[in-house]
Amino acid sequence: QVQLVESGGGVVQPGGSLRLSCAASGFTFRGYGMHWVRQAPGKGLEWVAVIWQDGSKKYYADSVQGRFTISRDNSKNTLYLQMDSLRAEDTALYYCARALYNGAWYGHDYWGQGTLVTVSS
Amino acid sequence: DVVMTQSPLSLPVTLGQPASISCRSSQSLVYSDGNTYLNWFQQRPGQSPRRLIYKVSNRDSGVPDRFSGSGSGTDFTLNISRVEAEDVGIYYCMQGTHWPPITFGQGTRLEIK
Repeated sequence: QVQLVESGGGVVQPGGSLRLSCAASGFTFRGYGMHWVRQAPGKGLEWVAVIWQDGSKKYYADSVQGRFTISRDNSKNTLYLQMDSLRAEDTALYYCARALYNGAWYGHDYWGQGTLVTVSS
Repeated sequence: DVVMTQSPLSLPVTLGQPASISCRSSQSLVYSDGNTYLNWFQQRPGQSPRRLIYKVSNRDSGVPDRFSGSGSGTDFTLNISRVEAEDVGIYYCMQGTHWPPITFGQGTRLEIK
């Protein structure tokens, strides 16, 4: 069965860095674009970033552009999110999710359980 | 960016009664291939989101047939024919046609009266 398991969350000071990981299993990881979506406490869903199946293309939300870097290692079936220059408003539960692409994105059909990032001094 | 606007934001429903959630987009979600990439998600309390409907009206495997999606262009609806206790949660629409960014609606909280 498809599984996505995030890790790496924690408490970090403003301006600090954190690297999230998402271990995938139960499907052909290299066959899917992979996304990060976040949810601030008590708030809605916000798309963060996507990476192409082969890692050749990456796109970001304006709110994280230049501070976050999405990457993947298809040999390890793992997705990453390097988060630098963190701000209080980055505090959220971060989900990894997979989606099919056909020029446009189908909705994310599998999600992880999320990893909590708290940016606070 | 495409803005997704849901209504109502709060939806109290009696068990066994129908429920309807509206989602409007700031521009047409029809893609150049003729498909419309509008999707619906359910997020139960304390759980990750779960996709219910993709491309307007296609129900995901395991989703009860009391859930249905409809609409076109910029106006879409998620209908629940008879609300059950397990349907409590927040429902989000999401568009994947005009990206980046992929955008979600604000969410509609369904509760039992």
